[in-house]
Amino acid sequence: LAKTTQPISMDSYEGQEVNITCSHNNIATNDYITWYQQFPSQGPRFIIQGYKTKVTNEVASLFIPADRKSSTLSLPRVSLSDTAVYYCLSGGGDSNYQLIWGAGTKLIIKP
Amino acid sequence: NAGVMQNPRHLVRRRGQEARLRCSPMKGHSHVYWYRQLPEEGLKFMVYLQKENIIDESGMPKERFSAEFPKEGPSILRIQQVVRGDSAAYFCASSPSQNTEAFFGQGTRLTVV
Repeated sequence: LAKTTQPISMDSYEGQEVNITCSHNNIATNDYITWYQQFPSQGPRFIIQGYKTKVTNEVASLFIPADRKSSTLSLPRVSLSDTAVYYCLSGGGDSNYQLIWGAGTKLIIKP
Repeated sequence: NAGVMQNPRHLVRRRGQEARLRCSPMKGHSHVYWYRQLPEEGLKFMVYLQKENIIDESGMPKERFSAEFPKEGPSILRIQQVVRGDSAAYFCASSPSQNTEAFFGQGTRLTVV
C-alpha cells in the first residue's frame, strides 16, 4: 500500500493561492491520488481525486506530473475558513478503503 | 439526504466497561468503513462491512473489538473491556460501492477514564 509525504504545516494569507505538494514515490500503476480536508472535531471531507495531468473542480485543482511521483493541490484565493488539515492519499485500485493516511498538512490561513 | 450519522458524538467510559459506537450510513449506501484517529495523526483503517458481512477486518485488533452491520439498523463498533489506549476518535464512512468516494460522519470521541 502506497505511502505519501507532505509538509507538516503551512501558513498563508487570505486571498492568496495555496499549493500543497505531496510525494508518492511508490505509487502503483492503478493508484489514484486523492485529497481530503478535515476540520477540527469533524470527519474528513473529499476534495478532489486524479490519476494524471490536471483535474479541476469547484474548490480546487490537482496537478500530477507525468511520472506521477508527486502531486500538488492548489487552492485558489483561500479564506480563513480554509484553515484545516489536508491529507494526500495514493491508492485506490482494488482497495480504496485501505488507503494509508499520513499526518496531513496543517494549513493555517491568516487575515 | 442526510449524511453519515454517528452517535454518540462523545462517549466516556471507565476502564473495563463496554463502548458501543453507532453509524447510520447515507441512504442507498451499503458499504461501511470504520477508522480510528489519534490526535495529530491520520486515520487508520479498522474494518470494512457490507450488509450482514464483514469484508475486511485486517485493521481491527483481534481481541475486545468487534463490528457488525445488520440487515436492519446501524453499523455497530463494539469495544469490550476498554482501556485508556482505546481513547481516540472513531470515524465511520459509507459509500454506494467499494471503490467510489466515501463520505465520513462526524466521529465519536471515546474517552476512557
